[in-house]
Amino acid sequence: QQPVQSPQAVILREGEDAVINCSSSKALYSVHWYRQKHGEAPVFLMILLKGGEQKGHEKISASFNEKKQQSSLYLTASQLSYSGTYFCGTELDDNQGGKLIFGQGTELSVKP
Amino acid sequence: DAGVIQSPRHEVTEMGQEVTLRCKPISGHDYLFWYRQTMMRGLELLIYFNNNVPIDDSGMPEDRFSAKMPNASFSTLKIQPSEPRDSAVYFCASSTNRVGGNQPQHFGDGTRLSIL
Repeated sequence: QQPVQSPQAVILREGEDAVINCSSSKALYSVHWYRQKHGEAPVFLMILLKGGEQKGHEKISASFNEKKQQSSLYLTASQLSYSGTYFCGTELDDNQGGKLIFGQGTELSVKP
Repeated sequence: DAGVIQSPRHEVTEMGQEVTLRCKPISGHDYLFWYRQTMMRGLELLIYFNNNVPIDDSGMPEDRFSAKMPNASFSTLKIQPSEPRDSAVYFCASSTNRVGGNQPQHFGDGTRLSIL
């Protein structure tokens, strides 16, 4: 039931792009994306609802492919501040009301 | 606006002792979640409440763990007796009602628990 994130880790140089994927074997109502820096709490980035919409947040955007039950997070022209662990949290399409199941995380390191 | 407030930030105690973690959600939020984070198991949902009522406690590891929400502004997570394998960071998060669309969860700073 836990969504699978890939890759597990990625190292970038400043200015490079990255894509993080989150896949579920169950039908999803929504996908949440969070970023967590070491020793801090997860911070909300964006929500994707079923319907295949795409959202943007500065140079970070995401999409949700309902047919594949997969969401992708796109980080373009990465900055040092993007470093951290990215988690997707999935809400199943079974009307359980707000419960999220988090993936294992993708550790992103941006180097100068 | 004040965010989710957790206390204590750090707790070190000996095996067998009772541990109580506290959480104050954001005012007006009616969902409250308790998570545990470890390197091995990642971010696990333990229990969540809606309007102070426990909705799903299937993630609570065993009877040593209990959670309460006596009112809309306060929740506790208790471990009694504590064991070294309970060592982890415990997060509390809150969100608003999902009517009309989904809402983000706002996390507290967490309690880093070490059981010796």
